[in-house]
Amino acid sequence: GDSVTQMEGPVTLSEEAFLTINCTYTATGYPSLFWYVQYPGEGLQLLLKATKADDKGSNKGFEATYRKETTSFHLEKGSVQVSDSAVYFCALRSDYKLSFGAGTTVTVRA
Amino acid sequence: DTAVSQTPKYLVTQMGNDKSIKCEQNLGHDTMYWYKQDSKKFLKIMFSYNNKELIINETVPNRFSPKSPDKAHLNLHINSLELGDSAVYFCASSQVAAANYGYTFGSGTRLTVV
Repeated sequence: GDSVTQMEGPVTLSEEAFLTINCTYTATGYPSLFWYVQYPGEGLQLLLKATKADDKGSNKGFEATYRKETTSFHLEKGSVQVSDSAVYFCALRSDYKLSFGAGTTVTVRA
Repeated sequence: DTAVSQTPKYLVTQMGNDKSIKCEQNLGHDTMYWYKQDSKKFLKIMFSYNNKELIINETVPNRFSPKSPDKAHLNLHINSLELGDSAVYFCASSQVAAANYGYTFGSGTRLTVV
């Protein structure tokens, strides 16, 4: 079945550092890809999405590009802030189901 | 206005009890879901209803029973609670035909079984 694999955490960074979280997927069709963020004690919020190959999703300084040739959707941010500390989930949607990766905990230190 | 709302936010109960979690969405979506998030933050889909019809029923103990009285509501009833049921349960909704869109999630219900 369709699945998502993302890099294990936790990841600890200093403010203004560059963040990359790797995500690869396995799918039989052409899924839509998403990144969700979960801040401490809260629910999941959609961060960005891409619906077809070479699409780039972006929001709040985060970017991810749908790479069909490498089946990847890596999340990047050029300069993180303490407020970016959260758990980040890569997800793919096919048919009726949204399947999530295991989540990557990111901690940004001042 | 809250798009997807769950009640209660916290639920502490003893083993063997029966409890329910309620979910309502005001987005006009036709599909609703229940997810379970364990202590390691792993998210697993449990159930999905489309226009009150069950369309996803993952491998979940039959102590868990979803009920959808209408397409804006999806409740989760759990019988004979066990310690392993302790988790955060998230409700979500989407428009099933809009595959390009993700789900909208509620803020979660933290269930603790003691």
